[in-house]
Amino acid sequence: DVKVTQSSRYLVKRTGEKVFLECVQDMDHENMFWYRQDPGLGLRLIYFSYDVKMKEKGDIPEGYSVSREKKERFSLILESASTNQTSMYLCASLSGGEVDTQYFGPGTRLTVL
Amino acid sequence: AQTVTQSQPEMSVQEAETVTLSCTYDTSESDYYLFWYKQPPSRQMILVIRQEAYKQQNATENRFSVNFQKAAKSFSLKISDSQLGDAAMYFCAYRSVGAQKLVFGQGTRLTINP
Repeated sequence: DVKVTQSSRYLVKRTGEKVFLECVQDMDHENMFWYRQDPGLGLRLIYFSYDVKMKEKGDIPEGYSVSREKKERFSLILESASTNQTSMYLCASLSGGEVDTQYFGPGTRLTVL
Repeated sequence: AQTVTQSQPEMSVQEAETVTLSCTYDTSESDYYLFWYKQPPSRQMILVIRQEAYKQQNATENRFSVNFQKAAKSFSLKISDSQLGDAAMYFCAYRSVGAQKLVFGQGTRLTINP
């Protein structure tokens, strides 16, 4: 089974802190994604990566950056956390091929005080 | 840009009965993929069912089936014989052929009443 893991289930940070959210997948997938999930808005794409060191902005990249130094790991960085970044963050990886399904991690609930 | 709309924020159904969740989408593309994802209270999102737009036959997976109406741009999910374990947030999603990213709807929270 594909496994996508995220470093924390719950995280509390203060305004202005630099925050790192880590995601690791174990299936050698090329593509990885970061979404944020907010009530009534569904999932919105922040950034995705289609290869090591390659990235592309999603729909809401402002205030975020990403890093992909190794194929299995994709990090989301909040350079200076703000209260409006309080949200659920979901990581996903894409299998490719005929099945072509995104597999999701368990999510990180981030609260910025 | 493509958009996906789920107009039912919440739905409830009695155990063992059938429920249908609605999804509409907007696109100018003729070929694409549609998905229903389930997010149980434990939060791990899982794929329920997938439909290729070029296939006229509606996809089915055990108790889950879709009603895909391409001309109407509608993609509803029918859950038969509802079980307590079906309680979750359900998200409809769209993906263009050749693209990697998904466009999600707002989600529908489904409650199963025993």
